[in-house]
Amino acid sequence: AQSVAQPEDQVNVAEGNPLTVKCTYSVSGNPYLFWYVQYPNRGLQFLLKYITGDNLVKGSYGFEAEFNKSQTSFHLKKPSALVSDSALYFCAVRGPYSGGYQKVTFGTGTKLQVIP
Amino acid sequence: ETGVTQTPRHLVMGMTNKKSLKCEQHLGHNAMYWYKQSAKKPLELMFVYNFKEQTENNSVPSRFSPECPNSSHLFLHLHTLQPEDSALYLCASSQDLDRAGYEQYFGPGTRLTVT
Repeated sequence: AQSVAQPEDQVNVAEGNPLTVKCTYSVSGNPYLFWYVQYPNRGLQFLLKYITGDNLVKGSYGFEAEFNKSQTSFHLKKPSALVSDSALYFCAVRGPYSGGYQKVTFGTGTKLQVIP
Repeated sequence: ETGVTQTPRHLVMGMTNKKSLKCEQHLGHNAMYWYKQSAKKPLELMFVYNFKEQTENNSVPSRFSPECPNSSHLFLHLHTLQPEDSALYLCASSQDLDRAGYEQYFGPGTRLTVT
């Protein structure tokens, strides 16, 4: 069975500092990995994904994530945090396609608080 | 906006009521999903439809009844709910289920309170 772990319920970072939101996963075969962001009273919004290729993936709003196969991690990063980045961040994983529907498993979410 | 709309945004209903949640996507996608989001819990997949056909029912109680009349619309019919069903119900869509590495586009959700 596949799973996702987001070990931190909340991450606090000062505005202008780099931020990291951690994610580790477990899946059979090569993973498809995603990050989503949820602002208050909104649905989840897709940020970026890793399918194959370059381990460093760039996404929306200056975010990027690094796929590390040996550590089974896919941490979300941004060089300089903005107050407007404060939101709930979800990591998700899906196993390789093998026919039929394959469920996407979401983590429990990490609340990012950027302090002015 | 993501191209996925949900109505109503808020709903309060008694345990004996019948109500429906509506979702519409304007993205030309073929797959649609219902999720339940409760505080401090992972997103729970409820139902999946692909080209109007239900492909996944994740052991959801029968008091939740989905309907997908076409690829753009998805409904969730509710009856005799329990207080523990109070949550944010999210609709999502994706291109389809067969394309590797598809991302999902979510609506803003319906905040449901069962009294």
